[in-house]
Amino acid sequence: DAMVIQNPRYQVTQFGKPVTLSCSQTLNHNVMYWYQQKSSQAPKLLFHYYDKDFNNEADTPDNFQSRRPNTSFCFLDIRSPGLGDAAMYLCATSRDQGSYQETQYFGPGTRLLVL
Amino acid sequence: AQKVTQAQTEISVVEKEDVTLDCVYETRDTTYYLFWYKQPPSGELVFLIRRNSFDEQNEISGRYSWNFQKSTSSFNFTITASQVVDSAVYFCALRGGSARQLTFGSGTQLTVLP
Repeated sequence: DAMVIQNPRYQVTQFGKPVTLSCSQTLNHNVMYWYQQKSSQAPKLLFHYYDKDFNNEADTPDNFQSRRPNTSFCFLDIRSPGLGDAAMYLCATSRDQGSYQETQYFGPGTRLLVL
Repeated sequence: AQKVTQAQTEISVVEKEDVTLDCVYETRDTTYYLFWYKQPPSGELVFLIRRNSFDEQNEISGRYSWNFQKSTSSFNFTITASQVVDSAVYFCALRGGSARQLTFGSGTQLTVLP
């Protein structure tokens, strides 16, 4: 089945130690998103790729970076995780064609714990 | 600016009861899209429905139904004969015009008791 896959499902890192979360998709969607969701809050968009074009949200900290080496994969890099970065990180994809935008489909998420 | 309001933070019902989750939105876009997502304890956001602003037809899918009313800027979600497996956080979301960002409501935690 076509889907959005996130690895790992749970990630424990140490304060200040770089960590990378990965997302892959078999939907062949051209747009990929990274959201941060803290406990009991709504998901918050960090950035997205429209094809190879990177679009950063204005309030996303510089500590968060992303890479998209090809259509299928997208990575979230946290350069120096702080305790406040502990959250669920959700990857989503959609197929956007011109002015028509389709639904965003989400992966299962990666829960990040910072010690 | 866009905004989605889910005034109900938590709802608790007994199995087999009907329950309606409210969603009110604000947007200046003439074309926009409304969504409902379900987030069970596992954390994955599961897509339930999408509604385009130019299509006010209500929809029923099994025990789920949605009532979209542009006149009141509401997109409410009803679960008929609720089941324990319906327990989850439900998010209403809005995507306006050419924007790719989803604006989420704060979510409603639904607990269905056996």
